[in-house]
Amino acid sequence: AQTVTQSQPEMSVQEAETVTLSCTYDTSESDYYLFWYKQPPSRQMILVIRQEAYKQQNATENRFSVNFQKAAKSFSLKISDSQLGDAAMYFCAYRRLVGGGADGLTFGKGTHLIIQP
Amino acid sequence: DVKVTQSSRYLVKRTGEKVFLECVQDMDHENMFWYRQDPGLGLRLIYFSYDVKMKEKGDIPEGYSVSREKKERFSLILESASTNQTSMYLCASRSGGDFQETQYFGPGTRLLVL
Repeated sequence: AQTVTQSQPEMSVQEAETVTLSCTYDTSESDYYLFWYKQPPSRQMILVIRQEAYKQQNATENRFSVNFQKAAKSFSLKISDSQLGDAAMYFCAYRRLVGGGADGLTFGKGTHLIIQP
Repeated sequence: DVKVTQSSRYLVKRTGEKVFLECVQDMDHENMFWYRQDPGLGLRLIYFSYDVKMKEKGDIPEGYSVSREKKERFSLILESASTNQTSMYLCASRSGGDFQETQYFGPGTRLLVL
């Protein structure tokens, strides 16, 4: 079974600084997807960024970027120029590439990100 | 934009009651999912469905069942609610095909079982 580990239950960063959230995973599959989801307080879970395992290039979405190390099974999220609106729970998630069927996400336990003004 | 809605944001039920949590998506997605979210445990998959009337167990299906009679609607059923089912329940949907990878989540239903 796949597992996803987020070793930082809570992180704090000053506004405008850069922060990196860690995620490691364990799988025997070679093709899969990795995601970072954001859940603001009392608000809906939204996708921040996704990475296809077959792509060597790290995904980037504006201030958000990932460092995907397939051999090390590591998938960290870097947030540059942190803003107050970035305060949220961040979840790392994994989904295997399933031939012809559906499959759910396997989530880490989450990292609570605090932005200090 | 994809919209996933859940019938209630907050629900209070008594032990032993039968509880229905409803989820509706408006994007004609084939795949729908139910997760529960607990502090310190993240999200865990309860059940998912890849087509009408089709369902698969997730990681923690015990004590739950599901129903999918129409493509847009996926219901989670607690046959006899227990206090250890107090949790946040999140519904999600995703289009079909291996390369449709993004799941869209509903706002969640916070269930308290007394």
